[in-house]
Amino acid sequence: KAGVTQTPRYLIKTRGQQVTLSCSPISGHRSVSWYQQTPGQGLQFLFEYFSETQRNKGNFPGRFSGRQFSNSRSEMNVSTLELGDSALYLCASSLAFGVTGELFFGEGSRLTVL
Amino acid sequence: TQLLEQSPQFLSIQEGENLTVYCNSSSVFSSLQWYRQEPGEGPVLLVTVVTGGEVKKLKRLTFQFGDARKDSSLHITAAQPGDTGLYLCAGNTNAGKSTFGDGTTLTVKP
Repeated sequence: KAGVTQTPRYLIKTRGQQVTLSCSPISGHRSVSWYQQTPGQGLQFLFEYFSETQRNKGNFPGRFSGRQFSNSRSEMNVSTLELGDSALYLCASSLAFGVTGELFFGEGSRLTVL
Repeated sequence: TQLLEQSPQFLSIQEGENLTVYCNSSSVFSSLQWYRQEPGEGPVLLVTVVTGGEVKKLKRLTFQFGDARKDSSLHITAAQPGDTGLYLCAGNTNAGKSTFGDGTTLTVKP
């Protein structure tokens, strides 16, 4: 059973640019969550999607957005990048929204903003 | 806002020693997970505990959920270098939102 796939694994951007990250969940999983991980802030919840609808949203500015497609694949976008957006962005999939809380993570997309 | 506090933040021990990591909150959770994350990778699910007072064992790892479902502990017996990593706990509410602790970074020296 293939795991969660995130692309790209590494990317470097400059301030002001925008970035799109992609996540393909485990086959059959319909819920996708996104997290930002930094050394100082730990794992911070960005948002969760289920059946193409955003179900939960964390405390991030509107520059952070996401969407989910009918095949459960998800993308997140960060516009007008700031230095503080440098982080590991993790995608996690689960069977269904809010059932057990068990998350299966991808390896992450490491974003560096210069 | 539900907060999960993990302690200790850092732990460095010798191979063969025992250790316990704690995850505490003032909130009640419907379930709680423990994950281990190695450098450059995403967190990997270790266990889910659901019932207050529940104890689960995974080889040398023992997980306990507090009676009131507000706290949890992870005990590792005879730690090995392969146990090195970041240990994260995550509490879940019926609303379907997971809250993560800041993690415990464990280093096991051979």
